Amino acid sequence: LAKTTQPISMDSYEGQEVNITCSHNNIATNDYITWYQQFPSQGPRFIIQGYKTKVTNEVASLFIPADRKSSTLSLPRVSLSDTAVYYCLVGWASGGSYIPTFGRGTSLIVHP
Amino acid sequence: NAGVTQTPKFRVLKTGQSMTLLCAQDMNHEYMYWYRQDPGMGLRLIHYSVGEGTTAKGEVPDGYNVSRLKKQNFLLGLESAAPSQTSVYFCASRLGNSNEKLFFGSGTQLSVL
Repeated sequence: LAKTTQPISMDSYEGQEVNITCSHNNIATNDYITWYQQFPSQGPRFIIQGYKTKVTNEVASLFIPADRKSSTLSLPRVSLSDTAVYYCLVGWASGGSYIPTFGRGTSLIVHP
Repeated sequence: NAGVTQTPKFRVLKTGQSMTLLCAQDMNHEYMYWYRQDPGMGLRLIHYSVGEGTTAKGEVPDGYNVSRLKKQNFLLGLESAAPSQTSVYFCASRLGNSNEKLFFGSGTQLSVL
């Protein structure tokens, strides 16, 4: 499994755009990149997934450069409710061979 | 459609006691996982199952056992609880053979005194 590296923590203010970068230098050809969000006292929940270029949904955008060795989760105009831990996962969900592995994630704190 | 349900939500044990945590999903998912999360740490995989009747060890399986007798249920057992097993336990499931997202339960806070 490709190992991921993320910043341990980030701070932002309400209304700002937040970009969290994840490094995955040994990503495999078939691997997808998936991001999860975890609020205190809750289980993680899926935010976004992509393979290459850019993916956007109602919550976030995911930018993946051509070499796919990193990815950036972009949260537009954050609010206090975006304070959470964000996890980047890399892998290919082909049957039981894919084991979703979570690192320590990035703790984002949004200030008023 | 309740998703993934974990019971109990909280439990306090004495060292040496045993207990079982139940995870139930109503989405007909093939794969189920048990994770533990300690303060300041990410989620670490304890055991997982790729289908009814199958189980496999994850990263930190020692001191735990699991069973998947029915597709919708995944049980995590502690035979002789230790203080080091004080943690928050999360169950997750996903559909099957593609890049589906994981669905998580709300967690079980376990304290072993």
